Amino acid sequence: EPEVTQTPSHQVTQMGQEVILRCVPISNHLYFYWYRQILGQKVEFLVSFYNNEISEKSEIFDDQFSVERPDGSNFTLKIRSTKLEDSAMYFCASSDYTEAFFGQGTRLTVV
Amino acid sequence: GNSVTQMEGPVTLSEEAFLTINCTYTATGYPSLFWYVQYPGEGLQLLLKATKADDKGSNKGFEATYRKETTSFHLEKGSVQVSDSAVYFCALSERNTGFQKLVFGTGTRLLVSP
Repeated sequence: EPEVTQTPSHQVTQMGQEVILRCVPISNHLYFYWYRQILGQKVEFLVSFYNNEISEKSEIFDDQFSVERPDGSNFTLKIRSTKLEDSAMYFCASSDYTEAFFGQGTRLTVV
Repeated sequence: GNSVTQMEGPVTLSEEAFLTINCTYTATGYPSLFWYVQYPGEGLQLLLKATKADDKGSNKGFEATYRKETTSFHLEKGSVQVSDSAVYFCALSERNTGFQKLVFGTGTRLLVSP
């Protein structure tokens, strides 16, 4: 069964460093998303991506964040200068026209 | 804006007990409704969905009915197993097709003991 894969599963980084979270969406999907889940809290929408551009972003997705689909298969989330409050589980998702499929998540710990 | 409210957890049950996890929503228009499950150490998996009023989604013995009159989508299972222990998230999408931005509830942890 096709699945969304994310790497790494866990990343520890120092405050102020840049991190790139990587995702391989399901190959025939058209829409791509990043969500995050701060420990013990709800899953929150960050950004959606369609046709090589951002289609919607939340207020959380400020100038520190960027997304890219560099090679037609990977979908990346970059955090330019990490803060302690960026520590969370980050989920990538992709969808066809009706259903979103999620990856296993990357746990980001900022120290 | 759109929102989803779930009952607080954890919900602790014995094996073979009946499960209900309440979910209500606030939305404009006609959202699609979903239940996602997160097993320990894993990502989110779609459990079931319903796209219009009175639809019943079902999977693995779980059921939920889209009730527009009460804006609810309660999750039920007649007989839970230890393997059902997980966190369950109710979610809605504003659109039935295309771009699927999801709004999630806070999640309800289910603990099933033998």
